[in-house]
Amino acid sequence: SFVLTQPPSLSVAPGETARITCGGNNIGNKTVHWYQQKPGQAPMVVISYDSDRPSGIPERLSGSNSGNTATLTISRVEAGDEADYYCQVWDTNDDRQVVFGGGTKLTVL
Amino acid sequence: QVQLVQSGAEVRKPGSSVKVSCKASGDTFSSYAINWLRQAPGQGPEWMGGIIPMFGTTDYAQKFQGRVTITADESTSTGYMELNGLTSADTAVYYCARAGRPWLIQYNWFDPWGQGTLVTVSS
Repeated sequence: SFVLTQPPSLSVAPGETARITCGGNNIGNKTVHWYQQKPGQAPMVVISYDSDRPSGIPERLSGSNSGNTATLTISRVEAGDEADYYCQVWDTNDDRQVVFGGGTKLTVL
Repeated sequence: QVQLVQSGAEVRKPGSSVKVSCKASGDTFSSYAINWLRQAPGQGPEWMGGIIPMFGTTDYAQKFQGRVTITADESTSTGYMELNGLTSADTAVYYCARAGRPWLIQYNWFDPWGQGTLVTVSS
């Protein structure tokens, strides 16, 4: 089955840029969605279709996907960005199953 | 803006079943798939399956096929997820989430999500 690999944690100072990666075999051929989850809350989509921002998501968040890596970039990081971030794809080679990455905990220093 | 409101926390004994509900506000209930996902403590989300209410079309994750039943009642804009044969490994927060695009279960994202329902399985 398809595996998505994320770094377990990432620490960034306020105002800096956070790049959260999601690795998978030829993930560039798939569509990646990204979710933010704060403690005690449900996940919320922040990027769909590799790079589309749903309404209400700040322009500081952007997504890209190519080759074996998809990336969620958060520019000018703020304290409110501290959360767990998950990438998600549909694995078309495995009876159309949903695959989530293991998640990256973003800490704002 | 669609909102999903789930039923309250449940405690079940091993071997029993649980049924969780998810009521949607708004007028687009029937055309968007309602999905069910769960999240065990400290883990990422796990997709269980989904249904398109207008057609009753369902799709289940292989892991849960035969053990989960997802239904929907268009008259009340409510989705349901029933899980049988519970074990302690089923202890998790269960979420419903609408599909991002209408008419499809597959190749979709999940937005919005319900507030979650904690299901605890313990003897």
